[in-house]
Amino acid sequence: AQTVTQSQPEMSVQEAETVTLSCTYDTSENNYYLFWYKQPPSRQMILVIRQEAYKQQNATENRFSVNFQKAAKSFSLKISDSQLGDTAMYFCAFMKPGYALNFGKGTSLLVTP
Amino acid sequence: GAGVSQTPSNKVTEKGKYVELRCDPISGHTALYWYRQSLGQGPEFLIYFQGTGAADDSGLPNDRFFAVRPEGSVSTLKIQRTERGDSAVYLCASSFGGRDTEAFFGQGTRLTVV
Repeated sequence: AQTVTQSQPEMSVQEAETVTLSCTYDTSENNYYLFWYKQPPSRQMILVIRQEAYKQQNATENRFSVNFQKAAKSFSLKISDSQLGDTAMYFCAFMKPGYALNFGKGTSLLVTP
Repeated sequence: GAGVSQTPSNKVTEKGKYVELRCDPISGHTALYWYRQSLGQGPEFLIYFQGTGAADDSGLPNDRFFAVRPEGSVSTLKIQRTERGDSAVYLCASSFGGRDTEAFFGQGTRLTVV
């Protein structure tokens, strides 16, 4: 079974600053996908960014980027130029193709003015 | 519809009662997932449908939980003899399945068992 660990229950960052959320995972698979999801108080999970394990290049989506270290089984999320609307729970998730997402426990991010 | 729709948004029920939670996936999505999210936790996998059949139900906690998707679209999660420990947000997600792996989530049903 795969496990996903998010070691930071809560994080805080000032508006316009940069913050990095940590995620590690454990798997014996070679082909898989990694995701970061955002969950605001509305409860709806929103995909922020995804990474295919076979790609060496780190994924980037506007202000969001990842640092994917396959050998270390690490998948951190960097949020640049933080905005108040980024305040939410962030979940790291692992998925084998054809299987369901496996989530970590989440990191609560607060962006302060 | 435009997104995954879950009804009801909130449900309060008495211990021992039976409840049904509904999920309307995005049209054309063949894969459908149910997750349970307890307070302060990440979503936990319950069951995964590919079309009408349950491809993986290994996450269902016990035989009080059951889910169906008779026509390969709408799915219903059924909980019998509810217990206070069943209180959680139940999330549904759908995707095209196959190589297109992005799952789109609904806003969940908050179930409270009193």
